[in-house]
Amino acid sequence: GQQVMQIPQYQHVQEGEDFTTYCNSSTTLSNIQWYKQRPGGHPVFLIQLVKSGEVKKQKRLTFQFGEAKKNSSLHITATQTTDVGTYFCLVVANTGNQFYFGTGTSLTVIP
Amino acid sequence: DSGVTQTPKHLITATGQRVTLRCSPRSGDLSVYWYQQSLDQGLQFLIQYYNGEERAKGNILERFSAQQFPDLHSELNLSSLELGDSALYFCASSSGTEAYEQYFGPGTRLTVT
Repeated sequence: GQQVMQIPQYQHVQEGEDFTTYCNSSTTLSNIQWYKQRPGGHPVFLIQLVKSGEVKKQKRLTFQFGEAKKNSSLHITATQTTDVGTYFCLVVANTGNQFYFGTGTSLTVIP
Repeated sequence: DSGVTQTPKHLITATGQRVTLRCSPRSGDLSVYWYQQSLDQGLQFLIQYYNGEERAKGNILERFSAQQFPDLHSELNLSSLELGDSALYFCASSSGTEAYEQYFGPGTRLTVT
């Protein structure tokens, strides 16, 4: 079955440092979405990537979809305490309407 | 506020019991998804309904069932509950099927004792 791994599982950074999380799939994806879940909260949609090699930016956040459509990354520049939370990728398998969340990366920002 | 509502917020029940979780999607959204979040399993997709019909099925146990009603609200029924069913259950909605952003509700925290 589909496997979606995210690395790292945890990341502690000093405020102002950069942060990157990677999402890797065992199969080719039709699209990938990124969500953020604050402690005690629910997942909130950030972005969707559809095209091979696609790069999208949202202020300090940069999202990239791999050329082979099997991996993706989320990069945050100059982290702030408001960036704290767990970042998940959500993939839709090419084989059908199946949704798989990545294992998540928990980000802690130290002021 | 995502516009998705879930009730109840918390539920405590005993093993062997049956419970029903309720979800109202955002106005205009036709798809409803159910997810289970636990510490050891992470976020797991259970099932999706689109405009009243089952659209996709994930890791949903046979003891669990769901339906989407004509007014588009959805219910997730969990029966013969076990300790391992304790988790946070999220409902999400979207306007379309698989390639649309999902809006999550606040979740229902289920504790089975």
